Amino acid sequence: DQQVKQNSPSLSVQEGRISILNCDYTNSMFDYFLWYKKYPAEGPTFLISISSIKDKNEDGRFTVFLNKSAKHLSLHIVPSQPGDSAVYFCAAYTGGFKTIFGAGTRLFVKA
Amino acid sequence: EAGVTQFPSHSVIEKGQTVTLRCDPISGHDNLYWYRRVMGKEIKFLLHFVKESKQDESGMPNNRFLAERTGGTYSTLKVQPAELEDSGVYFCASSQGGDRGPRYSYEQYFGPGTRLTVT
Repeated sequence: DQQVKQNSPSLSVQEGRISILNCDYTNSMFDYFLWYKKYPAEGPTFLISISSIKDKNEDGRFTVFLNKSAKHLSLHIVPSQPGDSAVYFCAAYTGGFKTIFGAGTRLFVKA
Repeated sequence: EAGVTQFPSHSVIEKGQTVTLRCDPISGHDNLYWYRRVMGKEIKFLLHFVKESKQDESGMPNNRFLAERTGGTYSTLKVQPAELEDSGVYFCASSQGGDRGPRYSYEQYFGPGTRLTVT
C-alpha cells in the first residue's frame, strides 16, 4: 500500500513558466514532507522540506505548499529553467527515521 | 568532503548467484540507509543503521538479503541467492543524525546507486 503517491509520471513545461508537481499521502502522522531531485545516473539530492505544522515553505525559486486537510502537497518552481529537468520525488518522514518516497515525476523544461 | 560512494556501479549476475554491494557513507554520518528502486516505481526503504546497529530492517524483502555495517563505517548488502525480482537500482544514503534536530536525520545524502540486473 503506497503511502506517498505521485500520480503524474511526467510533466512538460516551457522555460520561464511555472512547474507544479503534486503529491498525495495517506498517513496523517508524518512529521515532515520532502522533495528530492534526481538527475540520470546520480542519486537523489535533497531539495526542500516542509514541517507538517506549516502550510508553505519557500527557498528561492522553489516553494512547497502543504494542504493537510486534503493530504496533498505540491512543489512550485518559478521560473522553470532547462537545468530543472530531472525526476522529482516527494517523500514523507516520520520521527522514527523512516522516509517513504513516491514514484517520482519526470519534469521536462523546454527551452 | 567526499560524498556517499557505492560499488559497483553496475552488476549483472545470473539467478542463483551471490552479489555483494558496498556503500561508503559520508564520514561522521551515524545514519546509513539502503533503498531499492525498481524501474519507474517508488524508492523503497530497505533498512536503516545507526552506527553499527540495525535500527529498522522492516523493508528487507526476505532472508536472502543480509546487510552489515562494520564498525559503524561502510556497509555491505549481500543478496544470496539472487532472484529475477531482485533487479533494480540499490541506493545507499547517509545522514548525520544525532540530537541536532530532525533535519540532520531527514536530509539524506544519496550515493549514485548500484544497478543490479539478475538474468
